[in-house]
Amino acid sequence: SQELEQSPQSLIVQEGKNLTINCTSSKTLYGLYWYKQKYGEGLIFLMMLQKGGEEKSHEKITAKLDEKKQQSSLHITASQPSHAGIYLCGADSVTEGGADGLTFGKGTHLIIQP
Amino acid sequence: EADIYQTPRYLVIGTGKKITLECSQTMGHDKMYWYQQDPGMELHLIHYSYGVNSTEKGDLSSESTVSRIRTEHFPLTLESARPSHTSQYLCASSLHGGGTEAFFGQGTRLTVV
Repeated sequence: SQELEQSPQSLIVQEGKNLTINCTSSKTLYGLYWYKQKYGEGLIFLMMLQKGGEEKSHEKITAKLDEKKQQSSLHITASQPSHAGIYLCGADSVTEGGADGLTFGKGTHLIIQP
Repeated sequence: EADIYQTPRYLVIGTGKKITLECSQTMGHDKMYWYQQDPGMELHLIHYSYGVNSTEKGDLSSESTVSRIRTEHFPLTLESARPSHTSQYLCASSLHGGGTEAFFGQGTRLTVV
């Protein structure tokens, strides 16, 4: 099955600082999704990347997928308290005979210090 | 904002009880999913459906069962709840399979005592 490794596992940054979260796959990514989860709640969709080298931005969050389509990064500029939460990367499961749904990494816990 | 709803949000129930977790979406999505997530841990796919009368098991084995009689409704049932079933259950739906984002409900936090 496809495994997604996220780093770091947790991150504490001062408000206003920039930060980057990484997601690495053991296999080629055919669809890479970034979600945010507030503790004990559902997931909020942030962005989807499909093409090698693709980059998307929404407000102060930018996500990139590398040319080989095995690594993605999520970059937050000038972090705010509202950015705190758990960031998860997910990928389409394309394993033959495997379940047809998104596989997720373990998440990165982001804390913003005032 | 996603139109996918889960009820109840929180449930505390005794061992041996039968429970049904409800999930409904009003987006007309064919694909629906159930994920299980223990506190601080990753999400695991336990069930999914391609459409009406379609149900499939996910990557993680689960004692729960699901049904899909209507497009908008994908309930999950535990015939006899046990403490090991204590977890958060998240429902999601998507328009198609790969290449489209999934929308998630708020989750049901289940505690079996």
